[in-house]
Amino acid sequence: DGGITQSPKYLFRKEGQNVTLSCEQNLNHDAMYWYRQDPGQGLRLIYYSQIVNDFQKGDIAEGYSVSREKKESFPLTVTSAQKNPTAFYLCASSMGVRGPYEQYFGPGTRLTVT
Amino acid sequence: AQSVAQPEDQVNVAEGNPLTVKCTYSVSGNPYLFWYVQYPNRGLQFLLKYITGDNLVKGSYGFEAEFNKSQTSFHLKKPSALVSDSALYFCAVRGPPSLDSGAGSYQLTFGKGTKLSVIP
Repeated sequence: DGGITQSPKYLFRKEGQNVTLSCEQNLNHDAMYWYRQDPGQGLRLIYYSQIVNDFQKGDIAEGYSVSREKKESFPLTVTSAQKNPTAFYLCASSMGVRGPYEQYFGPGTRLTVT
Repeated sequence: AQSVAQPEDQVNVAEGNPLTVKCTYSVSGNPYLFWYVQYPNRGLQFLLKYITGDNLVKGSYGFEAEFNKSQTSFHLKKPSALVSDSALYFCAVRGPPSLDSGAGSYQLTFGKGTKLSVIP
């Protein structure tokens, strides 16, 4: 998982609470991504960022928010508006978005909301 | 819209036998294709990618993949499977960027994954 850290590994929250997932990278990558993984559904893109202070919605952005104030950091907030937030969340980074760059993934955060 | 299909939810193979994990794709233009592996409760690890050129791509841990444009396939292969290869494998695709593409063209689209079990 080298170079990308996510914390915490496991997170438990009550319904109605916002929660922020941390993602940090030391690869000097411009682009960062957040994915959600549910069993049998592969990975779905929530948000991505090409550069500091810029981010774009992915396929399932509703109920989520992000910020990119520093190149190294791309935190994801799961808001109370997200109807089914329990999932495994993966952060990734790459050199850029336009070229054929592979993405490097963090170890993930498993969020459980009850 | 781009898409990826991994037609097998699970593949079982005996240790020492060759393995194949199948992937077909749909995308406008020439594709960028990727394979990733995921071990339980971990992030994805990059195995290999196809950009252009030689249709046979070699990657990490002895894996290789064959790009077939006419069949729109990018199957992952390994000549001799190890028990430690048991994991979840994802194929991913994206189309080439173009000047008038919207932000969505930069997205990787992942398949739903194939669970590989190598039996000792």
